[in-house]
Amino acid sequence: RKEVEQDPGPFNVPEGATVAFNCTYSNSASQSFFWYRQDCRKEPKLLMSVYSSGNEDGRFTAQLNRASQYISLLIRDSKLSDSATYLCVVNRSYGGSQGNLIFGKGTKLSVKP
Amino acid sequence: NAGVMQNPRHLVRRRGQEARLRCSPMKGHSHVYWYRQLPEEGLKFMVYLQKENIIDESGMPKERFSAEFPKEGPSILRIQQVVRGDSAAYFCASSPSQSYEQYFGPGTRLTVT
Repeated sequence: RKEVEQDPGPFNVPEGATVAFNCTYSNSASQSFFWYRQDCRKEPKLLMSVYSSGNEDGRFTAQLNRASQYISLLIRDSKLSDSATYLCVVNRSYGGSQGNLIFGKGTKLSVKP
Repeated sequence: NAGVMQNPRHLVRRRGQEARLRCSPMKGHSHVYWYRQLPEEGLKFMVYLQKENIIDESGMPKERFSAEFPKEGPSILRIQQVVRGDSAAYFCASSPSQSYEQYFGPGTRLTVT
């Protein structure tokens, strides 16, 4: 089983649509969870951290289910500028080090006019 | 507040040469991480450093690769005797502590001919 698994997509949606991304992780000891976005040939940019209580930032809502080892990202009212690859990221917690991030391969989103 | 800086942005080396990649973390960040992204692949952790210390090098290939983060100056990722398979984008990230969000630099694209 991969450490972080995501549906690779692509997700092709019209402007204004709501789109949901899912992610599962295998290491139950992981402590930190994030969503990053990566535009073509650019660096990953932090979108939001993910907390057990769930968190929302404008049109973006992230949820974490520790029991199922499942993370989700919901984008409402999608914009053309949301087109990117969305990366589910989990820290590998072992040996006292929490700095080692594990990246999913990403889900590609394309928002069409 | 300048972000994470990496140079060079593009580097071309012939097989057998050495590649040196530099990373200056964000101001106030003392934790540095290196990741590699092969074409069409996700980011893979390589090494995590604090000033003058390697904290976690579990993702570093055993040979030809080394990293340092001296007391003064940028972090350096060094690849000796490069081979074609080293061609990739190398991203550096920094954070103020190991469990905090990591912020990425623009990357160095290494091409080995």
